Amino acid sequence: GAVVSQHPSRVICKSGTSVKIECRSLDFQATTMFWYRQFPKQSLMLMATSNEGSKATYEQGVEKDKFLINHASLTLSTLTVTSAHPEDSSFYICSALGGGNFNTDTQYFGPGTRLTVL
Amino acid sequence: QQPVQSPQAVILREGEDAVINCSSSKALYSVHWYRQKHGEAPIFLMILLKGGEQKGHDKISASFNEKKQQSSLYLTASQLSYSGTYFCGTEIPGTYKYIFGTGTRLKVLA
Repeated sequence: GAVVSQHPSRVICKSGTSVKIECRSLDFQATTMFWYRQFPKQSLMLMATSNEGSKATYEQGVEKDKFLINHASLTLSTLTVTSAHPEDSSFYICSALGGGNFNTDTQYFGPGTRLTVL
Repeated sequence: QQPVQSPQAVILREGEDAVINCSSSKALYSVHWYRQKHGEAPIFLMILLKGGEQKGHDKISASFNEKKQQSSLYLTASQLSYSGTYFCGTEIPGTYKYIFGTGTRLKVLA
């Protein structure tokens, strides 16, 4: 099936530092990727939509200057958490909208990145 | 607005059946079902695109009642591997964006 990878899987950083998370579609091209945040025992909340070659669109309440998204190619989107603080600690999950031989109605999810800010 | 799932949590013995409901206050144009294991990404189970549609594979099936703005997921003869949190998701029409439901934690005991 469609494979989406994320790197790193876990990251621990000090407060005030920036962290970059990569999301790659491995066997298909994805013009659209999504970034979600999930707090413990809660649902996935959409943060932003990442479109290749254009600016990301952010959901209400998500600070675009804090969560920088770059969709530089058809297989890679990155999320940078700038000046991270403990309240940014969460599970960040990306997804890619299917393309090529895969269902274009379906989002395929990466394995997630656990961010812990000390 | 986020779809509400019920029950919030359920514990089953292996071989028992379960039903998870997903209700929305707004019209549902499609429903996706996912299962998520702790610390892992959600795994796609199925998508229902039309009102009245029913789908299934193995012993997991789902129905979509468009008029009632709800969907149900049916787990038959549950297995230990069914344990996890189940989410319904619905697409905001024309955007490919999903809104996920509140989630149902399911645990199957031996």
